[in-house]
Amino acid sequence: ETGVTQTPRHLVMGMTNKKSLKCEQHLGHNAMYWYKQSAKKPLELMFVYNFKEQTENNSVPSRFSPECPNSSHLFLHLHTLQPEDSALYLCASSQEPGPITEAFFGQGTRLTVV
Amino acid sequence: AQSVTQPDIHITVSEGASLELRCNYSYGATPYLFWYVQSPGQGLQLLLKYFSGDTLVQGIKGFEAEFKRSQSSFNLRKPSVHWSDAAEYFCAVGDIDYKLSFGAGTTVTVRA
Repeated sequence: ETGVTQTPRHLVMGMTNKKSLKCEQHLGHNAMYWYKQSAKKPLELMFVYNFKEQTENNSVPSRFSPECPNSSHLFLHLHTLQPEDSALYLCASSQEPGPITEAFFGQGTRLTVV
Repeated sequence: AQSVTQPDIHITVSEGASLELRCNYSYGATPYLFWYVQSPGQGLQLLLKYFSGDTLVQGIKGFEAEFKRSQSSFNLRKPSVHWSDAAEYFCAVGDIDYKLSFGAGTTVTVRA
């Protein structure tokens, strides 16, 4: 248990569906991240939020829409996804943005787009 | 931009044997280096990190890693593996703008 909780753990959705992934941390961290982990590929940083403000959008398609209502919660809203978007989506948090502070990862949401 | 290469996709090791996982990085400045472990169905857990100072760093679970600037490497080692060490291991390099670049990972299988 790392203190970062992601729900749901598994999600199957059609290409026309709209769904949301949720991430929650009660570690008192100020920075939160979304990563995409595809099979046999390096983790890809998608979004970074620092004090609820988005500070990084790593050229992510608009069908992925993040939301950070407060420093403890992070959402990833999904709509009109493609089969190639199937992956493990990992949320992480750290005390502040930066490589010096340790990032704590959630267990991920395994997403399958059919 | 920084990049990380983990040359070994899969390593099989006997329980009790030593383990070494290779990591090479490309980064213009002094790197921030990390090793993470991911057990099946779990998120990533930090094993150890290097920022500066002693080039041999100790981590959790009996792991250590050595930073070699001349070889642009940060290899992970464990003298004697346990069955619970079976997992996927990721090397990562961070820059001053908080971006972590990960390698593709090495899967470790431990045989009895």
